[in-house]
Amino acid sequence: SQQGEEDPQALSIQEGENATMNCSYKTSINNLQWYRQNSGRGLVHLILIRSNEREKHSGRLRVTLDTSKKSSSLLITASRAADTASYFCATQTQGGSEKLVFGKGTKLTVNP
Amino acid sequence: DTAVSQTPKYLVTQMGNDKSIKCEQNLGHDTMYWYKQDSKKFLKIMFSYNNKELIINETVPNRFSPKSPDKAHLNLHINSLELGDSAVYFCASSLSHQETQYFGPGTRLLVL
Repeated sequence: SQQGEEDPQALSIQEGENATMNCSYKTSINNLQWYRQNSGRGLVHLILIRSNEREKHSGRLRVTLDTSKKSSSLLITASRAADTASYFCATQTQGGSEKLVFGKGTKLTVNP
Repeated sequence: DTAVSQTPKYLVTQMGNDKSIKCEQNLGHDTMYWYKQDSKKFLKIMFSYNNKELIINETVPNRFSPKSPDKAHLNLHINSLELGDSAVYFCASSLSHQETQYFGPGTRLLVL
């Protein structure tokens, strides 16, 4: 069953603007991961945040995790046309199966 | 220096045929996965192997049979292909189940 749900489904912004994508999930997690997929390509890992962490940075990317609200956000600052891609959150649930469950993704378009 | 590679990249075949997709990783990872991404970009895990041992087997038809000859390879054999099998199949690997997953470029399967 699907765990993560990204919001919005699609986002279109101008180069230089910030882009924020949200992910909500249902059950307790070990970690939450964000991936990027360019059109016709494989997924590329961006950031992994563990359940005991609240915020992580990597370059222009900032990820937050609120386990009380069961939600995470991915912020891309000073966006570039090359950031155009689909962004997926994936959760690894606590206990039981160790599988990674992906959401449906947010399609981000950055217009030059 | 491809980390996770898949062959073939494209596969077009007739209904009822049997086909195989190969995956190799040179990262020294213990865990490998097969995912299916449908036309709506929804990515779902099919199988996971850890050191050649099957760990996760989602509700996948038994026409799909993974084979791991060694921990660097995880192949997927599909018998009696059906129209609904058309999708992009991604192989991935990770150091362990709770770590970042590295994806291959995908195999685009079209069943006619």
